[in-house]
Amino acid sequence: QQQVKQSPQSLIVQKGGISIINCAYENTAFDYFPWYQQFPGKGPALLIAIRPDVSEKKEGRFTISFNKSAKQFSLHIMDSQPGDSATYFCAASIGNFGNEKLTFGTGTRLTIIP
Amino acid sequence: DADVTQTPRNRITKTGKRIMLECSQTKGHDRMYWYRQDPGLGLRLIYYSFDVKDINKGEISDGYSVSRQAQAKFSLSLESAIPNQTALYFCATSGTGTYDNEQFFGPGTRLTVL
Repeated sequence: QQQVKQSPQSLIVQKGGISIINCAYENTAFDYFPWYQQFPGKGPALLIAIRPDVSEKKEGRFTISFNKSAKQFSLHIMDSQPGDSATYFCAASIGNFGNEKLTFGTGTRLTIIP
Repeated sequence: DADVTQTPRNRITKTGKRIMLECSQTKGHDRMYWYRQDPGLGLRLIYYSFDVKDINKGEISDGYSVSRQAQAKFSLSLESAIPNQTALYFCATSGTGTYDNEQFFGPGTRLTVL
């Protein structure tokens, strides 16, 4: 049972372009939505996260857009660079203190070409 | 940095063998997790522990067991390894009382069961 569905599975974007990765969730109790970035040979690392009280969060070139009614959230990478080439995972959890099991999406392998 | 370390980094074993993967952390976190990563399936939670006396099954615990020897150490065992347990295994930690629930991942152990 996949509670967090992620698409696309892979994505190729030209340098300078916008990369967009989408996720949809089923459990309306989820209230914390992070994105993790993973480089080859490394463990995932937190990139950016959002809670559902806001519709957008921006950190540098990375933006999360959140649509609570549609139960969807997305990661936008502006001015994509070759160094952004990595696998990206969306995730969700019920974020109260004491309960932070993350449910991950299946991952998107992003390649930025010159 | 080596805040979360995993040993071994790579292991090849045969069907039916008992295998232990070890995780140590110097972050002082109470909470530790074991995940497996498979292509196209993302990261799936095997077991998690919120303190030394607390062990909980995750999404895919069958065929695995864990031991929390100390706050800083969390081991994953495969009692009788089988080929479909070939995967990349990650340990992660998180602190209590952290609003954003960030998990910190180790570098991973690549396990191959022949």
